[in-house]
Amino acid sequence: AQSVTQLDSHVSVSEGTPVLLRCNYSSSYSPSLFWYVQHPNKGLQLLLKYTSAATLVKGINGFEAEFKKSETSFHLTKPSAHMSDAAEYFCVRGGFKTIFGAGTRLFVKA
Amino acid sequence: EAQVTQNPRYLITVTGKKLTVTCSQNMNHEYMSWYRQDPGLGLRQIYYSMNVEVTDKGDVPEGYKVSRKEKRNFPLILESPSPNQTSLYFCASSSPSKAYEQYFGPGTRLTVT
Repeated sequence: AQSVTQLDSHVSVSEGTPVLLRCNYSSSYSPSLFWYVQHPNKGLQLLLKYTSAATLVKGINGFEAEFKKSETSFHLTKPSAHMSDAAEYFCVRGGFKTIFGAGTRLFVKA
Repeated sequence: EAQVTQNPRYLITVTGKKLTVTCSQNMNHEYMSWYRQDPGLGLRQIYYSMNVEVTDKGDVPEGYKVSRKEKRNFPLILESPSPNQTSLYFCASSSPSKAYEQYFGPGTRLTVT
């Protein structure tokens, strides 16, 4: 079965330190993959997307993700966390039957 | 402006009183879907539609109905709402030509008492 697994339900970092949010997927074909962010009491915003072009994808607000087929991973990173990055992040496998990961809540400490 | 709209944004209702949440998109997307979001469970797909008159069940379809009579509209119908349908609902649209990148509506917060 197709699935998306976000390996951490919560991640806590200090402001100015790197962020790593982990996502593994399963798919019988090369998938399109996305990261979305949801700030408290807000809707979902697209951060970045992978659609079988470059494996290193750059998104908004300094985020990037690397598609690694051998590891079936699509981890989200940012070199330096900002307080405004505190939010919930969803890894998503695209398709007519879209699959969401359960989400990772990012906490940023001052 | 490309957008997905949902109405109402907030709704409090009572058990058993039929309700409809509307969803409309202006991007001519073939694909539309409904999700519910509950704490700790992420977003779960309720129903999706690949085009006009083509719909299929997602992961949690029980208690919901949908219809797709026009390409731009995809209403979600709760014939007899129950308290376990209290949730935050999102409509989304996408297109295969854009790798199914989902465009989300602002959400509808539904409370069933």
